[in-house]
Formats: sequence, C-alpha cells, structure tokens
Amino acid sequence: ELKVEQNPLFLSMQEGKNYTIYCNYSTTSDRLYWYRQDPGKSLESLFVLLSNGAVKQEGRLMASLDTKARLSTLHITAAVHDLSATYFCAVDIEIQGAQKLVFGQGTRLTINP
Amino acid sequence: DGGITQSPKYLFRKEGQNVTLSCEQNLNHDAMYWYRQDPGQGLRLIYYSQIVNDFQKGDIAEGYSVSREKKESFPLTVTSAQKNPTAFYLCASSIGPPGTSGTDNEQFFGPGTRLTVL
Repeated sequence: ELKVEQNPLFLSMQEGKNYTIYCNYSTTSDRLYWYRQDPGKSLESLFVLLSNGAVKQEGRLMASLDTKARLSTLHITAAVHDLSATYFCAVDIEIQGAQKLVFGQGTRLTINP
Repeated sequence: DGGITQSPKYLFRKEGQNVTLSCEQNLNHDAMYWYRQDPGQGLRLIYYSQIVNDFQKGDIAEGYSVSREKKESFPLTVTSAQKNPTAFYLCASSIGPPGTSGTDNEQFFGPGTRLTVL
C-alpha cells in the first residue's frame, strides 16, 4: 500500500526564519505536487515536480524532488505571516491502469510575528 | 473565465436523505475526481472518471454514487447508506492521464461543498 508521509504535521515558526517540510513516499513515482490550503478553503496548486532533481521556486517557497530517495522538500525562506496555511504533497501513481494522486496528511504551518 | 465550480457551498442533510453535490468545469479536462476531507485530515478519493460515460471507485466509495454523462459535469450523490457524511467535499479535474499529449496529472480543485448531517 502506498504511503505518503509528511513531516512535521504541525509547525509553528517565527517570521524571518527558514524551515523545511518533508514529504516521503513508499513507491516509485517521478511526479509530485505541492498544494496550499487556507482554513475553510479549497486547495491551490503551488508546484509541479515531474522528474528526479526537479527544483521549482516561487517567492519564499522552493520545492525539490529526489525520486531515488522518494523524498520531496518544501523549503520556506524568511517566513512571513501570509505563508500560514496547510501544505499538502501529493504523489502521482498508477493503480490498476489509472493514474491517481495520493495525498499526505498535510503540514499545518503557523507563522508568528 | 475557465475554472471549476461546485454547488452548493453549504448543504444540510437530514438522516436518511440522499443529496447531490454539483461539480462543473469549463477547462475541457477529460478527468474528474471527488475527494472527501475530514477536519484536520488529508484528502481521500471517493470516485474518479477519466472519460465521459466511465468512472471508477476510489478508496472510500461506499455510500456514494456518481455519473459522467457530460464531459463538463461530474455530480456526486451522497446516499443514506453513507453513515457519516459530514465532511468537506472537493471536486477536481485534470487534462487527462499522463502520457496524453505529454501532460501531467496536475489536478485543479473547485471551491468545495461543506456537508453537514442534522
């Protein structure tokens, strides 16, 4: 059974600090996605990582993918309050001839002034 | 504007009632999905459809039903057999399975429907 595990599940940090969220998965895949969810809202696509070594950056967020280690990271640089949200990774796998996304549990990020 | 719409935003169901959640997209996407999210949890796949007139069960299909008569629409019915339906329901769509003209499986989400059982 595929497992997608995020670490940590809860993160409280100060503005201006750096931190990394980890996403580990248990089966072969070279496609991984990061999403953001604000409280009570839907999911917003952040990054699409489609190959080993892929790195994408948008503002203070940077995502990377290591398919050999089955690991993706979401790095936050000099955090600001607006980045407070829940972040999900999702792994794209083939099951019984169909492609599906399997989501991690989410990391709830709180950034304090 | 292209996008995914869901209605209603809030829905209240009495015990024993069937209710239908609407999902429409004008992105010309082939694939559509329904997820359930419980408070503080991730997303779980209920049903998905990769093409019109075809759909498959996801991980938690019991107590739910769907149809895909049109490319743009993928309604979800929560039946009385679903014993604990209170949750946030999210619909998503993607261009199609990877390998379709070199596309990936990035899914785009609608705004969601919050269902509460009274």
